[in-house]
Amino acid sequence: EVQLVESGGVVVQPGGSLRLSCAASGFNFDDYAMHWVRQAPGKGLEWVSLIDWDGVSTYYADSVKGRFTISRDNSKNSLYLQMNSLRTEDTALYYCAKDRGEQQHYNWLDPWGQGTLVTVSS
Amino acid sequence: DIQMTQSPSSLSASVGDRVTITCRASQSISSFLNWYQHKPGKAPKLLISAASSLQSGVPSRFSGGGSGTDFILTISSLQPEDFATYYCQQSYITPLTFGGGTKVEI
Repeated sequence: EVQLVESGGVVVQPGGSLRLSCAASGFNFDDYAMHWVRQAPGKGLEWVSLIDWDGVSTYYADSVKGRFTISRDNSKNSLYLQMNSLRTEDTALYYCAKDRGEQQHYNWLDPWGQGTLVTVSS
Repeated sequence: DIQMTQSPSSLSASVGDRVTITCRASQSISSFLNWYQHKPGKAPKLLISAASSLQSGVPSRFSGGGSGTDFILTISSLQPEDFATYYCQQSYITPLTFGGGTKVEI
């Protein structure tokens, strides 16, 4: 069974930094691209970032480009999101999700983890 | 960026009702359109990919259609477990974008 477990969400001050982690199991992690998606309180889903299966190529939403960095460690079956220069509008539940395509992007997200909550507040 | 517009944003329905949700893309995305179901406190779940391909384990009362810019999600006979928020998402190009969601309420 595929499992994705996010961690690292905390309360952080504006301008601060944070690293989220996603531990993956139940599939060949190094064969699949991975995504981060967030949901602000009372709002809809917003795609944040994508990393290829080998970590070479990365993609970002305009709202986080230059501030967030996605990475992965295939030896640890782990996905990360380094978040710098945090803003109050980054407050959200952050989900990691597996891409359905094996060694290619389908950009269908399945499955998703349960999420980790990031609160940016002074 | 491709904008995805869903309608309605919410709807009230009863068990057994037929429900239709529409999703419109700001430019043609061929059939690169996916639907997700999201219940409070749970992970979003992929229901339909490539506009009309039902995922394994998803009940056949769910169906999707459309291509180009206009898409629909239909629930043929609403069940109690279907009350949730539904999102469309374009997988045509990054940045990936979601519709604003449709909340299906009793």
